[in-house]
Amino acid sequence: QLQLQESGPGLVKPSETLSLTCTVSGGSLSIINYYWGWIRQPPGKGLEWIGSVYYSGSTYSNPSLKSRVAISVDTSKNKFSLRLSSVTAADTAIYYCARSRNWRDFDYWGQGALVTVSS
Amino acid sequence: NFMLTQPHSVSESPGKTVTISCTRSSGSIASNYVEWYQQRPGSAPTTVIYEDNQRPSGVPDRFSGSIDSSSNSASLTISGLKTEDEADYYCQSYDSDNQVFGGGTKLTVL
Repeated sequence: QLQLQESGPGLVKPSETLSLTCTVSGGSLSIINYYWGWIRQPPGKGLEWIGSVYYSGSTYSNPSLKSRVAISVDTSKNKFSLRLSSVTAADTAIYYCARSRNWRDFDYWGQGALVTVSS
Repeated sequence: NFMLTQPHSVSESPGKTVTISCTRSSGSIASNYVEWYQQRPGSAPTTVIYEDNQRPSGVPDRFSGSIDSSSNSASLTISGLKTEDEADYYCQSYDSDNQVFGGGTKLTVL
């Protein structure tokens, strides 16, 4: 059974960089036609796609966040990562990593990691 | 870029049928598949409909999806409502390099 697990600091200071890693277990990250994404959800609000990465290293980002987002993949460790720079309180959210099939639905999700931006 | 618009909330009684709409702002709703997720409090979303109208294994056939090109919208219909269906529901679609979620609909079964 495929499992995804987010990890990283739960508290980040304003103007600093948020960094999260998603570890994939129970399956390989290096599968054609599967993309690995980051989705966030501010407390009490809806889902927002942040970006996705393919095992080859190709990345795709939400235009509204593109200038601050960097997503990378490490196939040797079966992990992919998110870096979001210049964070503000508006970036406080639960951050999910997830797998999407053929750039369509997200069929496996991590449990989510709450990241709070506060001094 | 396009947006997906959902009603903020819907409510219905147990045993009844409810339909949640998802309207695409630009581009054809039929040009890319629409996916639907259920999210219960404190949990990650799970797929209830994929590729417009397909149900993953384990999702009851009370859940169905459709698209309507005339209104440029997709719909999730839940029949025979149960109290356990009370949750937030999100539609999602995509284009060549973007993924878009609707704002979510809170379903209350009362």
